[in-house]
Amino acid sequence: ETGVTQSPTHLIKTRGQQVTLRCSSQSGHNTVSWYQQALGQGPQFIFQYYREEENGRGNFPPRFSGLQFPNYSSELNVNALELDDSALYLCASSRLAEYTDTQYFGPGTRLTVL
Amino acid sequence: QKEVEQDPGPLSVPEGAIVSLNCTYSNSAFQYFMWYRQYSRKGPELLMYTYSSGNKEDGRFTAQVDKSSKYISLFIRDSQPSDSATYLCAMSPNYGQNFVFGPGTRLSVLP
Repeated sequence: ETGVTQSPTHLIKTRGQQVTLRCSSQSGHNTVSWYQQALGQGPQFIFQYYREEENGRGNFPPRFSGLQFPNYSSELNVNALELDDSALYLCASSRLAEYTDTQYFGPGTRLTVL
Repeated sequence: QKEVEQDPGPLSVPEGAIVSLNCTYSNSAFQYFMWYRQYSRKGPELLMYTYSSGNKEDGRFTAQVDKSSKYISLFIRDSQPSDSATYLCAMSPNYGQNFVFGPGTRLSVLP
């Protein structure tokens, strides 16, 4: 078990709504990355947070935003939902400073936009 | 051309077979290479991690990286039905940042 948890497990929203997804990182990890995984595709990097600051961003529009809290948990917010936002949203935590460490993924939140 | 390419499969093999999974990539800046296994409705689970070129072995799994050819492989020996999953390759130019994943290969190991 990786120790990374995500909530909710499933979510259904309609186009134009806003959604907040949550992630609790593994104990001792101070870095959280978010990924979008469309059906039949590999995960696509959205952004990463390290010690509460954004530390890299993929090719996603500004309506995808995030937060990291002092306990290193994180939120992903998506505004003005579009049908193409339907996907599995994965959170991964790591200790960025550790050379031999890597990312541990949570089970994901499946978002359906109708 | 996609940055990371991977044969989507599905790949079906009999139990006990040696499985070869491959990825090609176009960005010569990639230095960190990983293989993940993803079961249905679960998050990816790290299998192997390598830095730069070379081979790495862990139990039944062997990862190979050939940076000159921009080609990486994962070999699974004595495959088991429990190995049935989607296998994702991932790579990054900087450790821990901006991982780029392949689309995944779906593997079925038949008993």
